[in-house]
Amino acid sequence: DTGVSQNPRHKITKRGQNVTFRCDPISEHNRLYWYRQTLGQGPEFLTYFQNEAQLEKSRLLSDRFSAERPKGSFSTLEIQRTEQGDSAMYLCASSLDRASGNTIYFGEGSWLTVV
Amino acid sequence: AQSVTQPDIHITVSEGASLELRCNYSYGATPYLFWYVQSPGQGLQLLLKYFSGDTLVQGIKGFEAEFKRSQSSFNLRKPSVHWSDAAEYFCAVGAPPRSADGLTFGKGTHLIIQP
Repeated sequence: DTGVSQNPRHKITKRGQNVTFRCDPISEHNRLYWYRQTLGQGPEFLTYFQNEAQLEKSRLLSDRFSAERPKGSFSTLEIQRTEQGDSAMYLCASSLDRASGNTIYFGEGSWLTVV
Repeated sequence: AQSVTQPDIHITVSEGASLELRCNYSYGATPYLFWYVQSPGQGLQLLLKYFSGDTLVQGIKGFEAEFKRSQSSFNLRKPSVHWSDAAEYFCAVGAPPRSADGLTFGKGTHLIIQP
């Protein structure tokens, strides 16, 4: 069990540029989540995949954000035309869908700074 | 809609003293409850979870939490804290299994350990 892996861990970009983050979930996990966390706040849910299907999107996820999970394995989160308000840590998490309850495991996060 | 309140933004405890971090939740059905810990600049590590059964749950690093339905609480406790426990602690509530919802987090409690 190698855990949830995210990269890059840190990204500094200029306003208006596009950025992409990658997440590799725990290998047998069929659910994958993206959260955003700003300083002094708890993580906020962005979107969720069951295998390759994106089943839920938060209203926090504007049209500039897009997430994919091709083949139900790794996932990417792309932010287009970045704004300073996008500066945050983007957390990926995964879980195995069980009738007894889902335990969600988080990665180390990807820090985005938009300058 | 589900929500989580962590009333204490900061708590300072002496090393070796006992600890209790408060968490109150709002959820219309049986909640699935979690405590996570986050060190600066890092992702979230699961401390413990409650899905059903015994309302006193044991976690890693000597932590425990008690689910009290009548008080809508899930407080985290540790009998004797260590300097390495200094971190941000998040309580979260999750929807039932097979639900599309992710976790809803509180804003966190920052734990400071003084010598």
